[in-house]
Amino acid sequence: RKEVEQDPGPFNVPEGATVAFNCTYSNSASQSFFWYRQDCRKEPKLLMSVYSSGNEDGRFTAQLNRASQYISLLIRDSKLSDSATYLCVVTRNSGNTPLVFGKGTRLSVIA
Amino acid sequence: DTGVSQDPRHKITKRGQNVTFRCDPISEHNRLYWYRQTLGQGPEFLTYFQNEAQLEKSRLLSDRFSAERPKGSFSTLEIQRTEQGDSAMYLCAAEGSGANVLTFGAGSRLTVL
Repeated sequence: RKEVEQDPGPFNVPEGATVAFNCTYSNSASQSFFWYRQDCRKEPKLLMSVYSSGNEDGRFTAQLNRASQYISLLIRDSKLSDSATYLCVVTRNSGNTPLVFGKGTRLSVIA
Repeated sequence: DTGVSQDPRHKITKRGQNVTFRCDPISEHNRLYWYRQTLGQGPEFLTYFQNEAQLEKSRLLSDRFSAERPKGSFSTLEIQRTEQGDSAMYLCAAEGSGANVLTFGAGSRLTVL
């Protein structure tokens, strides 16, 4: 089983749509969780951390379910500029390093 | 400006040649990471440094790969006797303002012919 698994995608959605990405991780010792965004031919950049209580940043909401080892990212009111690959990221172990990246889910928001 | 500079940005080489990539974090960072990314995949961990000490190496890092961070600032990643399977984007990242928050460089793209 892969350490981090994500929806294969790609997701093609119209502007204004709500889209959700799912991610599961295999190591129950993982302590920290993140979503990174990667634009085409660019480096990954931190989108948001994921906290146990769930957290929201504008149109983006991240949820963590430790019991199910499941992470989600919800994007509301999608914009064209949201088109990118979204990478689910977890720490490998209780030592909190290194970060393990999922394969990524590509999102295309269409006008 | 990502805060992490990588050089060269692109490298095309023939199979069997050696290549070296350099990573320069702009400000001081205790931890520096190397990842490799191929098309359609997420970044794969290769190795990381805490200051000048190399603390972990992935099994992906064969004996043809070596990384150094001699003064705890810049780092180099050398690949000896390159193979076509080494073609990838090599990403360097520094741990930034928060623990486990990585700032990546723009990457060094390697093409082995």
